[in-house]
Amino acid sequence: AQSVSQHNHHVILSEAASLELGCNYSYGGTVNLFWYVQYPGQHLQLLLKYFSGDPLVKGIKGFEAEFIKSKFSFNLRKPSVQWSDTAEYFCAVNAGGGRRALTFGSGTRLQVQP
Amino acid sequence: GAGVSQTPSNKVTEKGKYVELRCDPISGHTALYWYRQSLGQGPEFLIYFQGTGAADDSGLPNDRFFAVRPEGSVSTLKIQRTERGDSAVYLCASSLGSFAGQETQYFGPGTRLLVL
Repeated sequence: AQSVSQHNHHVILSEAASLELGCNYSYGGTVNLFWYVQYPGQHLQLLLKYFSGDPLVKGIKGFEAEFIKSKFSFNLRKPSVQWSDTAEYFCAVNAGGGRRALTFGSGTRLQVQP
Repeated sequence: GAGVSQTPSNKVTEKGKYVELRCDPISGHTALYWYRQSLGQGPEFLIYFQGTGAADDSGLPNDRFFAVRPEGSVSTLKIQRTERGDSAVYLCASSLGSFAGQETQYFGPGTRLLVL
């Protein structure tokens, strides 16, 4: 069964610091990759996704992620975080091949201090 | 409304009771998903519907869990003989249904179930 690992459980940054959140998955076939975000009191919403093409994907609010197939990784980055980026971030993988289920990591709680 | 809605938002029940959780997907979305999120964990897939049929129920933990979507819109997740370990947030999501695993799944606010 596939699994998704998010190495950082809780990250605290100051505003304007750069962010990188790790995500690794264990699945050898074609995958579709997602980052979701949950702001305090809100629903899970999509930040960005990758399924083919340029491995550097840009999403909303200045976030980007890079798919590195050889490392089974899909790390999320933002050059300069804002207080409003305080949220929980989830990496998710879909195994492709017609399957629809997403396998999520355990999440990273990001706290940005003003 | 424009988004996925779920009712109730909170449900407290006693061990052994039966509960039903409802999901109303985004209008026009043919795919509907149920996930369960335990404290400190990411969402865990339970079941996926394409139209009225359960296309993938591989995530249902046991036969106490059952879900229906009789008219291809609203779905109900049913849990029989609830156990304390069933306490979690139950999330529903929907998507267009046309692009398989590449599709964005739009999540609802969840139902927080507490089994005493």
